[in-house]
Amino acid sequence: ETGVTQSPTHLIKTRGQQVTLRCSSQSGHNTVSWYQQALGQGPQFIFQYYREEENGRGNFPPRFSGLQFPNYSSELNVNALELDDSALYLCASSSGQGAGSYNEQFFGPGTRLTVL
Amino acid sequence: QKEVEQNSGPLSVPEGAIASLNCTYSDRGSQSFFWYRQYSGKSPELIMFIYSNGDKEDGRFTAQLNKASQYVSLLIRDSQPSDSATYLCAVGAPAGTALIFGKGTTLSVSS
Repeated sequence: ETGVTQSPTHLIKTRGQQVTLRCSSQSGHNTVSWYQQALGQGPQFIFQYYREEENGRGNFPPRFSGLQFPNYSSELNVNALELDDSALYLCASSSGQGAGSYNEQFFGPGTRLTVL
Repeated sequence: QKEVEQNSGPLSVPEGAIASLNCTYSDRGSQSFFWYRQYSGKSPELIMFIYSNGDKEDGRFTAQLNKASQYVSLLIRDSQPSDSATYLCAVGAPAGTALIFGKGTTLSVSS
């Protein structure tokens, strides 16, 4: 069984640039959630994708966008980077969706984004 | 605003002792509860989940849930230095999408 993978591991960008982060879900999982974790904080929910559709979104501006592909892998895109976007970006995969799905989420290793 | 509260610590215990980590949550409709362990510089690792009131044991770990008090806890028996990490409490929204995380409690186990 393959776990959740993310790329790249680290990334340095300058303010105003755009970035794309990638995630491959765990084998058998059809749902991908993205989280942002600032230093010293718990992860904050960005959005979730289920069967290629956005299935819930946290309190993040529209410059945070995503995609899910037919193989359930996913991308997180961030436009017009700001200094406060510097954080660990975590992808989590799970199976099932909606009420009654208890949503055990397994995290990938994360992408450390630094915005200068 | 759905919130999950944890004491940030640090919680310091000697090797072999019981470590008790606590968490409260605000959304009474929450249905699923998780404990993640996060080592410095690493991603969170799921160690326990609980859905029903009461206790759930897995090896040295026991999760306890009291929905009436909106309280969930994690007990670690026979604490080891390798248990030193930040423990994140997460609560599943009723719709089954987002996990709402606390800020985490830092545990330090001294040998």
